[in-house]
Amino acid sequence: QKEVEQNSGPLSVPEGAIASLNCTYSDRGSQSFFWYRQYSGKSPELIMFIYSNGDKEDGRFTAQLNKASQYVSLLIRDSQPSDSATYLCAVGGGKLIFGQGTELSVKP
Amino acid sequence: NAGVMQNPRHLVRRRGQEARLRCSPMKGHSHVYWYRQLPEEGLKFMVYLQKENIIDESGMPKERFSAEFPKEGPSILRIQQVVRGDSAAYFCASSPGPGPYEQYFGPGTRLTVT
Repeated sequence: QKEVEQNSGPLSVPEGAIASLNCTYSDRGSQSFFWYRQYSGKSPELIMFIYSNGDKEDGRFTAQLNKASQYVSLLIRDSQPSDSATYLCAVGGGKLIFGQGTELSVKP
Repeated sequence: NAGVMQNPRHLVRRRGQEARLRCSPMKGHSHVYWYRQLPEEGLKFMVYLQKENIIDESGMPKERFSAEFPKEGPSILRIQQVVRGDSAAYFCASSPGPGPYEQYFGPGTRLTVT
């Protein structure tokens, strides 16, 4: 059973702080890793994808991948109240396996 | 609108009726995926289709559910004889190619079975 686990929330950070979201996966052969943001009642929105070990930065977002540890993370710098949402980690290609999500709350 | 389109956005069906959910992929995308999100649960893969072919249906319930993606027109997820437990948000995603390409989601169809 392929699994994706995310650290349980909710995660609360003050405005301007760094939010750190973590995810582990069980399938060592996984090649593709995605972070989606989902606002309540809305559809998932792709915010980052990463395929190689290391860091990938896009604006305030940094995705980090460590295949040896089967670990992927998302850092959000200068967190804003508008970042408050559920963040979903997804692993796979074709069929995506999603984690349960981590709810992030950014307090003004 | 170049995004993934789904319709209807909201669908109410009585137990025993049929539900048909439609998905038009992003322009240039020929790979479609259906996911279901039950209340207070995570997103679960249902089926992956390419034009006229089902590539992976490992997440589809064995009975009452079917999907197609014809040569012309949108992809259709069909649920026959709906039950209350089918009430959920159904999302369609599309990608430009197979395998590791990123998937972009449509707005979803919220199905309510009364």
